[in-house]
Parts: sequence; C-alpha cells; structure tokens
Amino acid sequence: KAGVTQTPRYLIKTRGQQVTLSCSPISGHRSVSWYQQTPGQGLQFLFEYFSETQRNKGNFPGRFSGRQFSNSRSEMNVSTLELGDSALYLCASKVSGETQYFGPGTRLLVL
Amino acid sequence: AQSVTQLDSHVSVSEGTPVLLRCNYSSSYSPSLFWYVQHPNKGLQLLLKYTSAATLVKGINGFEAEFKKSETSFHLTKPSAHMSDAAEYFCVVSENGGATNKLIFGTGTLLAVQP
Repeated sequence: KAGVTQTPRYLIKTRGQQVTLSCSPISGHRSVSWYQQTPGQGLQFLFEYFSETQRNKGNFPGRFSGRQFSNSRSEMNVSTLELGDSALYLCASKVSGETQYFGPGTRLLVL
Repeated sequence: AQSVTQLDSHVSVSEGTPVLLRCNYSSSYSPSLFWYVQHPNKGLQLLLKYTSAATLVKGINGFEAEFKKSETSFHLTKPSAHMSDAAEYFCVVSENGGATNKLIFGTGTLLAVQP
C-alpha cells in the first residue's frame, strides 16, 4: 500500500497570506490527524478528523482550520499567516484503534 | 493529564556501543506508549509501541523498550548502534489510552553516532 502523502512538500508564503495543505491517507484509513512541528514548541496536535467530522482539536487559534472529504483526504488551512506559523506540518492516518502512520510533511516558510 | 518526559535532549554514542534513550510518562490510565524516529528532513517512523501486552516490546532495526509501571518509565535501548541510527527520537503517549487519535510527544532526543 502507498503511504501517507502530503502536498506540497515545500511552500513559501508571506505574512498575511493564507495557505492550504493537503493530505491523502493510506487506503482504507478513515482517520486523519494533523500536527505542527517547530524547533521551539516541538510536535503539537492540531486536529483530528474521522468520517468528515472533526473529532478533536488542539490549542491553536481559529486561523487554523481543516476538513475531511468523503474519500478521507484531508486539507488544513491557515489564514492570515504569521512568521510563527513557519513549521513542518505532519499528517497521520490510521485505522480505528491502530497505530498512526505519518506522512513526510509539508515544510512551510512564512516570510 | 498525560505527558511524557524525555530525560536527555542529546545522546552521543560510538558505533557498536549500546544505546539508551530515557523516557518517563505520566498517565491516569493504562497508557499506550510509542517510540517514533525522525531522520533529517523526513517524517516520523514508528519504532515500536506498548499497549498493555508484554512489558518488553521489540521494534524495528533492533530497538526494544521496556515498560516499567513501578518506575513510570519506557526507555528505548539497542545493543549496538549503527551510523544509520543517528536521528531524533520521540517518546509518545496516546491520550486516553488510544481511544482518540491525539498523540502527546516528548521533546525529543537527538542521537549522534560517532564512527
């Protein structure tokens, strides 16, 4: 099976812009989670989707949002980008009750 | 609330010598614990997981970890380090014992392997 894929892999934006990141889970996985990784804060949970419903949300401002489609693919959106949003954004998928598998991440640089 | 503490931010070993990466956890429930590895500019790869079966868990690439409830520890070990083991290692606990997808990560241990 193909692994979790994330697009794009690298992205450069300027402050105030918005960005959309995409995640395609492993075939058959209906649960998708997103994490932000920064040198200062480490790995932090953003949100989790299952069957198109947000099931859990981390402690991030409302500028961070996401959604999941009927084919389990997920997108996350960050509006009004700030310099501090520069990070590696990781997506993970899993089958219920099992281990999460991570994608390679999207590296976002905000200038 | 559940949490993990990785006791060393950096560990340096020589190739062929044992590796020990230390992790303590805090959990109100019987925890689900994991070790993930991240190589430079790569995503996270699962090394092993503990979910209340055997306390000694064997993972990939010769790594293993022992769950010790009395010490609230889940240390990662490997008998003989390879150059390819150089990476960052994360100890992780699953919130609410795995019922949700929220993983809580430790701050990471950067493992350097000297030739």
